[in-house]
Amino acid sequence: NAGVMQNPRHLVRRRGQEARLRCSPMKGHSHVYWYRQLPEEGLKFMVYLQKENIIDESGMPKERFSAEFPKEGPSILRIQQVVRGDSAAYFCASSPAPTDTQYFGPGTRLTVL
Amino acid sequence: AQSVTQLDSHVSVSEGTPVLLRCNYSSSYSPSLFWYVQHPNKGLQLLLKYTSAATLVKGINGFEAEFKKSETSFHLTKPSAHMSDAAEYFCVVSETLTSGGYNKLIFGAGTRLAVHP
Repeated sequence: NAGVMQNPRHLVRRRGQEARLRCSPMKGHSHVYWYRQLPEEGLKFMVYLQKENIIDESGMPKERFSAEFPKEGPSILRIQQVVRGDSAAYFCASSPAPTDTQYFGPGTRLTVL
Repeated sequence: AQSVTQLDSHVSVSEGTPVLLRCNYSSSYSPSLFWYVQHPNKGLQLLLKYTSAATLVKGINGFEAEFKKSETSFHLTKPSAHMSDAAEYFCVVSETLTSGGYNKLIFGAGTRLAVHP
């Protein structure tokens, strides 16, 4: 059973460009969570999604950030008009049920020049 | 609100000596607690979890943690460090939200473990 997959692993963008981060949950998992890790800090919750639904986006910045988890395909975290402060590692986790253990992907490291 | 405090940002030990990574939590409920490990430029791997069963929890790679409610602690230990244990370790408390009924993970700031020959 393959683990949580994230791509790309590394992403470089210039200020003002868009960043698209993808997450494929483990097989059989329909619950996806996104976390952000700023340099020298722990992970911070961003958003929790089920298929086609955003359940909790209380950790998402109000502007420029959006997330989706369509019926088919991976979950996408989109950052529009990136700024240097968006440089971070973005981790996706998945679980088979909302109160089950979350399993993490390898992360996408975003660098904004 | 729940929170986690990892008392040491860096810990350095010699190979073969014991490891102690300290964690205190704040919770209004009976918490679920976890330790995750992150090797350089890698994702997070679950070491162990406590979910109100036995207070001494055994994990992978020889690690274990003891839940002490009276001290609100969940320290991670290993009897003998190995070079491959060098990594960042995160103590995590799970907050089960009644609205939505899911677990929101609250991470500590992390402890970087260095292991010297």
